[in-house]
Amino acid sequence: AQRVTQPEKLLSVFKGAPVELKCNYSYSGSPELFWYVQYSRQRLQLLLRHISRESIKGFTADLNKGETSFHLKKPFAQEEDSAMYYCALYNQGGKLIFGQGTELSVKP
Amino acid sequence: DAGVTQSPTHLIKTRGQQVTLRCSPISGHKSVSWYQQVLGQGPQFIFQYYEKEERGRGNFPDRFSARQFPNYSSELNVNALLLGDSALYLCASSFGGGGTEAFFGQGTRLTVV
Repeated sequence: AQRVTQPEKLLSVFKGAPVELKCNYSYSGSPELFWYVQYSRQRLQLLLRHISRESIKGFTADLNKGETSFHLKKPFAQEEDSAMYYCALYNQGGKLIFGQGTELSVKP
Repeated sequence: DAGVTQSPTHLIKTRGQQVTLRCSPISGHKSVSWYQQVLGQGPQFIFQYYEKEERGRGNFPDRFSARQFPNYSSELNVNALLLGDSALYLCASSFGGGGTEAFFGQGTRLTVV
């Protein structure tokens, strides 16, 4: 079964520290993976997708098919990065399968 | 810049009642998807409509139904409401029916009492 797992519900780091939000997936085939972010009182929005291989707001994510992972990384966390982060897998039929989400808290 | 709009923003219903939620996609987008987000969980897929046809359905009972209109707006209907239907209902629009970027609305908070 297709599934996305985010093992950490809450990740707390200090400003300037490196951040890694973990995401593991289960999918038979070539996965299409996304990271979505939800800042306080804002709507869910796309942060990045593995196909584009770009860096957004200093975040990067590499697809590792061997480990079935798509971890989100940033070398130096900023306070404005505090938000809810969701890893998602695109399935056939227009379906996004989301993980449970990880709340990132960046302390000053 | 008009994003995806949903109405109403909040709603309180009694068990057994029926509810209709509405979504207007971004202009030019032909696909609308619906998600249910229970507190503490990630969004869970309910339906996708593309060009007014159902393209995907999640693991939800038949009490949940949806449709898409010629102007690409959409309605989600839930009959015989249960307490467990209390959740944030999200609508997302995208240009195509495949894995193109999905833009989310602010959601409708449904409380069933």
